[in-house]
Amino acid sequence: DGGITQSPKYLFRKEGQNVTLSCEQNLNHDAMYWYRQDPGQGLRLIYYSQIVNDFQKGDIAEGYSVSREKKESFPLTVTSAQKNPTAFYLCASSLNSNQPQHFGDGTRLSIL
Amino acid sequence: KQEVTQIPAALSVPEGENLVLNCSFTDSAIYNLQWFRQDPGKGLTSLLLIQSSQREQTSGRLNASLDKSSGRSTLYIAASQPGDSATYLCAVPRTGGTSYGKLTFGQGTILTVHP
Repeated sequence: DGGITQSPKYLFRKEGQNVTLSCEQNLNHDAMYWYRQDPGQGLRLIYYSQIVNDFQKGDIAEGYSVSREKKESFPLTVTSAQKNPTAFYLCASSLNSNQPQHFGDGTRLSIL
Repeated sequence: KQEVTQIPAALSVPEGENLVLNCSFTDSAIYNLQWFRQDPGKGLTSLLLIQSSQREQTSGRLNASLDKSSGRSTLYIAASQPGDSATYLCAVPRTGGTSYGKLTFGQGTILTVHP
């Protein structure tokens, strides 16, 4: 089945540690996105990529990094510089910027 | 800067009721609006996408309307069922420059339908 796969479902980070969240899609979509969701708030855009080997900062990019070396994959690294990383992270993709976005099931990140 | 507001923040209704969820946006220069459903601990599922040239979009018991001039959209759910219980979010794409296509989300309406 075509879709977006995020892993792991749950992730724990120690102080000073970088962690990487995986996002893979087999929908042949050009555009991919990373969002952060906090309780009682809507989704906020961290990074997005409109095409392979290109990505742009979203509204809250500080403390995060991404890469887009393959069309299917858009991993997100939460660095130690992100002081409040506890949140639900959602990855999405779309055929292009004009088309509906499809979402994965999310990764919940917590601090140990 | 586009702002999206959803009212009410939470809604609890008995099974069988028809209900309306509201979404308002400050910048009417949008080219579509999307409604999503989110179950607890899950990602978002797209329900309906209305293009700016459309007034309504229907899918089963769901009907979404869009009034760009007033900056409003409504999601109408007919004959609600307990399985409709979820958080409903609306989102509009940003326009202009490098922001093109990025979505701005409302905070969502938490719907509970009790038997």
